[in-house]
Amino acid sequence: NAGVMQNPRHLVRRRGQEARLRCSPMKGHSHVYWYRQLPEEGLKFMVYLQKENIIDESGMPKERFSAEFPKEGPSILRIQQVVRGDSAAYFCASSPRDRGIDEQFFGPGTRLTVL
Amino acid sequence: GQSLEQPSEVTAVEGAIVQINCTYQTSGFYGLSWYQQHDGGAPTFLSYNALDGLEETGRFSSFLSRSDSYGYLLLQELQMKDSASYFCAVPSSGGYNKLIFGAGTRLAVHP
Repeated sequence: NAGVMQNPRHLVRRRGQEARLRCSPMKGHSHVYWYRQLPEEGLKFMVYLQKENIIDESGMPKERFSAEFPKEGPSILRIQQVVRGDSAAYFCASSPRDRGIDEQFFGPGTRLTVL
Repeated sequence: GQSLEQPSEVTAVEGAIVQINCTYQTSGFYGLSWYQQHDGGAPTFLSYNALDGLEETGRFSSFLSRSDSYGYLLLQELQMKDSASYFCAVPSSGGYNKLIFGAGTRLAVHP
């Protein structure tokens, strides 16, 4: 059973471009969480999605950021018109249910660098 | 709101025991978990305490005192590969798996 997959692992964008980050949850998992980690800091919650639904986006900036988890395919975190402050590691995690801390698994992350 | 406090750095030698403390403030409590993260890697789940007391898993143990809003991660027989960052985390006040993380404790193990 493959783990949580994220791609790309590293992404370089120039200011003003769009960044698109993908996350494929573990097989059988229908709950996806996105987190952002700045250097030397802990992970900060961004958004929680189930298939075709955004459950909680309280941690996501109101502008330029959006997320989706379609019926088919991976979850996508989209950042439009990137700025240098968006440079960070973005992790997604998946779980088979909305509770059960020991059943949340993290992907390897996408390291976004904005030039 | 919810917040977690943990030391920023800890240093120890191989074979030693180290304790990483975490104090938390939450509006509702659903348990305390610990994650390990090596440089450039993904957070990996280590342990979870919902009730008071000590949970032991091999060389790692985790303790919780709900009355003190305090927990710790205990690492025994330290190995070089244990050099990593360790994060305590709590579920959000809603109880589901939206996690609130501490800033992390960077453990350096020396020969």
